[in-house]
Amino acid sequence: DTGVSQDPRHKITKRGQNVTFRCDPISEHNRLYWYRQTLGQGPEFLTYFQNEAQLEKSRLLSDRFSAERPKGSFSTLEIQRTEQGDSAMYLCASTPPSTDTQYFGPGTRLTVL
Amino acid sequence: QKEVEQDPGPLSVPEGAIVSLNCTYSNSAFQYFMWYRQYSRKGPELLMYTYSSGNKEDGRFTAQVDKSSKYISLFIRDSQPSDSATYLCAMFWGNNNDMRFGAGTRLTVKP
Repeated sequence: DTGVSQDPRHKITKRGQNVTFRCDPISEHNRLYWYRQTLGQGPEFLTYFQNEAQLEKSRLLSDRFSAERPKGSFSTLEIQRTEQGDSAMYLCASTPPSTDTQYFGPGTRLTVL
Repeated sequence: QKEVEQDPGPLSVPEGAIVSLNCTYSNSAFQYFMWYRQYSRKGPELLMYTYSSGNKEDGRFTAQVDKSSKYISLFIRDSQPSDSATYLCAMFWGNNNDMRFGAGTRLTVKP
């Protein structure tokens, strides 16, 4: 399967702990996005990379959130000092050059107890 | 008021029915419109992508855009139980870096 992959698929953590998620985009896709989706809502944009550069961040991305894409390939999203309100599905998407189509991964479901 | 409004449903139809899903939006800057299908506990999957007013057809699916009314629709003909999913409308303006989604409509097609 050459689609977008995300790891882990599920994460349960206690409030106050740090968590890190990984996204592997489709090969040669230069743009990568992170979204958050809560139950009954559509995905909400968090941040965007073009190659290794983080070009845009949503106001939803508080100081506790940080994202990296060190070599322009995979990306990580870290949440520090998790709160119960962080419980959501975290989706990653990637786009090839010269198109606008975003291909989504299966998501990482985070539950903060 | 949200930028993109979508009736969350749920919507239940018998197999073979024609399904109509709709979204309205408030930002006239939106130029590109998409419909995604999302199965339970999966990521969204692109169904249709259009950027002009009018209709676009792909198999059993027809996407309709009316920019003057800020209204988009997705029609599913001969609906199948495998079409049971949540359907999300999405749109953006100049680039897709800040795509806005509707809340999604949950559809069930009963055999």
